[in-house]
Amino acid sequence: QQQVKQSPQSLIVQKGGISIINCAYENTAFDYFPWYQQFPGKGPALLIAIRPDVSEKKEGRFTISFNKSAKQFSLHIMDSQPGDSATYFCAASGSNDYKLSFGAGTTVTVRA
Amino acid sequence: DAGITQSPRYKITETGRQVTLMCHQTWSHSYMFWYRQDLGHGLRLIYYSAAADITDKGEVPDGYVVSRSKTENFPLTLESATRSQTSVYFCASGKGYNEQFFGPGTRLTVL
Repeated sequence: QQQVKQSPQSLIVQKGGISIINCAYENTAFDYFPWYQQFPGKGPALLIAIRPDVSEKKEGRFTISFNKSAKQFSLHIMDSQPGDSATYFCAASGSNDYKLSFGAGTTVTVRA
Repeated sequence: DAGITQSPRYKITETGRQVTLMCHQTWSHSYMFWYRQDLGHGLRLIYYSAAADITDKGEVPDGYVVSRSKTENFPLTLESATRSQTSVYFCASGKGYNEQFFGPGTRLTVL
């Protein structure tokens, strides 16, 4: 049973548009929520991460929004560029557990 | 070069054969992980290790064996490969909980 549910499975956005990927979790012990970016033929790489003590974290064009009460978090890619075309995974872990639980992934395609 | 490497990058084998996938990291990270990636399932944890000689099962361990005699190496063995084990396998390492650094992956095909 997947502990982190991710949607949509794929999305297409025009260059300059906003990509939004959503994740939901049930385990209230989770306190670390990273997003990984994976290009074809490569391993995933950490993009940005958030902890529940803040509701939003921004790094460049990438923003995580976190809603603790709803147990949801999302990734927003602003001003999407063709180079952002990749698969994005959300994940979660707890402070007493060094394993990450991953979502199923979202393939983002940015059309020029 | 520093980092995490996997070998082979591509492997084709037949049902019933034993296959070993290698993983090597040069960061001296304590934690190492093996995942499989399948469409629609994301990354599923097969086995993980907190230190040399300490390993534990993840979400999908059946049919796999691991060992970790040295901190830097974490081989994954498929004792008798099955078609359902056709997948892309990723090794990762980390120095604590939180960020994990992934290798480039091994694409395994079982005929």
